[in-house]
Amino acid sequence: DSGVTQTPKHLITATGQRVTLRCSPRSGDLSVYWYQQSLDQGLQFLIQYYNGEERAKGNILERFSAQQFPDLHSELNLSSLELGDSALYFCASSTSGAQETQYFGPGTRLLVL
Amino acid sequence: AQKITQTQPGMFVQEKEAVTLDCTYDTSDQSYGLFWYKQPSSGEMIFLIYQGSYDEQNATEGRYSLNFQKARKSANLVISASQLGDSAMYFCAMRPTGANSKLTFGKGITLSVRP
Repeated sequence: DSGVTQTPKHLITATGQRVTLRCSPRSGDLSVYWYQQSLDQGLQFLIQYYNGEERAKGNILERFSAQQFPDLHSELNLSSLELGDSALYFCASSTSGAQETQYFGPGTRLLVL
Repeated sequence: AQKITQTQPGMFVQEKEAVTLDCTYDTSDQSYGLFWYKQPSSGEMIFLIYQGSYDEQNATEGRYSLNFQKARKSANLVISASQLGDSAMYFCAMRPTGANSKLTFGKGITLSVRP
């Protein structure tokens, strides 16, 4: 158990819908990262927050947005869903420091029908 | 930009034997970290081992060791005494040193341990 929690574990929805994925980082971790894992794209970085502020953006679609709340949990919002958004979405968290290992949550498996 | 290359096809190893999973990388950063993660069929990503680019010794964590050859830009994972539970997908990843850096992943290698 990495200490990072993600809900829900599975999500099945229809095209055009909107969903929210939730992540709670490890106790004491200020950074939260979101990654998408799909068969064709592999593991791709989406976005990163540090202590409530957006720090870096990767290959995140405009239909996707995220935020980190004062209690440090984070939410990833996916809207106008398409079939191609079906993937495993991971949240990871890390502390500051030279090694700064990112510990991953169990992931949310999203299926868009 | 960073790039991780994992080109081995599915790997097979006999239980209790050692296996090496290859990883080469490319980066223009002077200081960086290299990581290996394990993803079993259940889907979670499990951190295995870390190697800093300036670390003089190869990293070890239990049965895992990292064969780091900086000049060749390789960071191979060695698993000793393979167990059936080691069957999984293994990802090599890297990031520049410094606060808040994203991980760049390779495509992964599938390892199957035979009884």
